[in-house]
Amino acid sequence: GAGVSQTPSNKVTEKGKYVELRCDPISGHTALYWYRQSLGQGPEFLIYFQGTGAADDSGLPNDRFFAVRPEGSVSTLKIQRTERGDSAVYLCASSLRGQSNSPLHFGNGTRLTVT
Amino acid sequence: QKEVEQDPGPLSVPEGAIVSLNCTYSNSAFQYFMWYRQYSRKGPELLMYTYSSGNKEDGRFTAQVDKSSKYISLFIRDSQPSDSATYLCAMTTNTGGFKTIFGAGTRLFVKA
Repeated sequence: GAGVSQTPSNKVTEKGKYVELRCDPISGHTALYWYRQSLGQGPEFLIYFQGTGAADDSGLPNDRFFAVRPEGSVSTLKIQRTERGDSAVYLCASSLRGQSNSPLHFGNGTRLTVT
Repeated sequence: QKEVEQDPGPLSVPEGAIVSLNCTYSNSAFQYFMWYRQYSRKGPELLMYTYSSGNKEDGRFTAQVDKSSKYISLFIRDSQPSDSATYLCAMTTNTGGFKTIFGAGTRLFVKA
């Protein structure tokens, strides 16, 4: 079956611009997560959705970052006024249930470069 | 101090060697422990998943958890060049479970 799909796979933008990153989770998975991975580091938690609502957004670094999941399936991560420090791979993951015994299934990420 | 510590390597071994990868952690509330494999420019893929202390074996892979020492390990037997990747340990608590914490990853190279 289809895995987690993320688009675009690469995004280059200028400092100060707005970007949107899209995630299409595995069908039937109720939980959706966004992580950010910098070079040489492990994924860092950003936000978690259970259904349509953000159950935990404590990992979002500041108010320039926002994510939505309006219909409980596809999610969009939005970054305003991008900064060079936002350059990283943004990973989306989904799981069958938002519980500890429901491991994450990742997409291949969007590589964001802010010039 | 990070919640999860993992030696970034790189670790280089000859084909057929036994590989040992390790992580330590500080949060005693972690109950679920995972190992993910990540190839270059790909997302992490789940390799092993264990609950609490003990061993779990799956083919050439064995995961060990020692909660008393806050130490987890992944062993790879008969390593192959296709095992060359970054290995990430990850863990969650048994409440909520929505925030999986990852180690920095260990880069492994298996030489033919």
